Amino acid sequence: EAGVTQFPSHSVIEKGQTVTLRCDPISGHDNLYWYRRVMGKEIKFLLHFVKESKQDESGMPNNRFLAERTGGTYSTLKVQPAELEDSGVYFCASSQDTGAGTKNIQYFGAGTRLSVL
Amino acid sequence: GQNIDQPTEMTATEGAIVQINCTYQTSGFNGLFWYQQHAGEAPTFLSYNVLDGLEEKGRFSSFLSRSKGYSYLLLKELQMKDSASYLCAVRSYSGGGADGLTFGKGTHLIIQP
Repeated sequence: EAGVTQFPSHSVIEKGQTVTLRCDPISGHDNLYWYRRVMGKEIKFLLHFVKESKQDESGMPNNRFLAERTGGTYSTLKVQPAELEDSGVYFCASSQDTGAGTKNIQYFGAGTRLSVL
Repeated sequence: GQNIDQPTEMTATEGAIVQINCTYQTSGFNGLFWYQQHAGEAPTFLSYNVLDGLEEKGRFSSFLSRSKGYSYLLLKELQMKDSASYLCAVRSYSGGGADGLTFGKGTHLIIQP
């Protein structure tokens, strides 16, 4: 079974440009999460999809960030326009369920390292 | 708000045992997770505790005390490949939404021969 995959693994862009990150969750996982780790800080939650619906986007930094999950399969996270402080590693995770028990375990992708110059 | 504390770095010897502690303050606690992360790779799930007590899985064990806001990850028979960062994460209803995880900064574990 394939794990969570993210593309690209690394992206270098200039300030003001647009970047789109993609995440393919584990097949059959309805729940998809985006997280971000900026240098020297902990991994922080951005948002949570249940199928194609945004369950919680309380962690999104500002309106330059737009996440979509059309059809409830893969998800994209677009940053437009990118700023220097957006640099970091963007992780995606997926889980089968959200209740108690092992079905709520979140499995992570390797992340996309975004560098904004 | 939520706060998770764990040591920044620890060093241990191959073949020995190491305990990595994690303390947390949160409301609406709904589970604690430990992940292992090698540089440049995905965080890999290690263990999950939602009730007090010890969960054992091979060379790895994790303990939880909800009343103390405390957990530890115990690694036995250390191997060189165990050199990695270990992330403590809490799931609660008050932070990161209903199901997002709140992470500590991670403990960088160095295994020496």
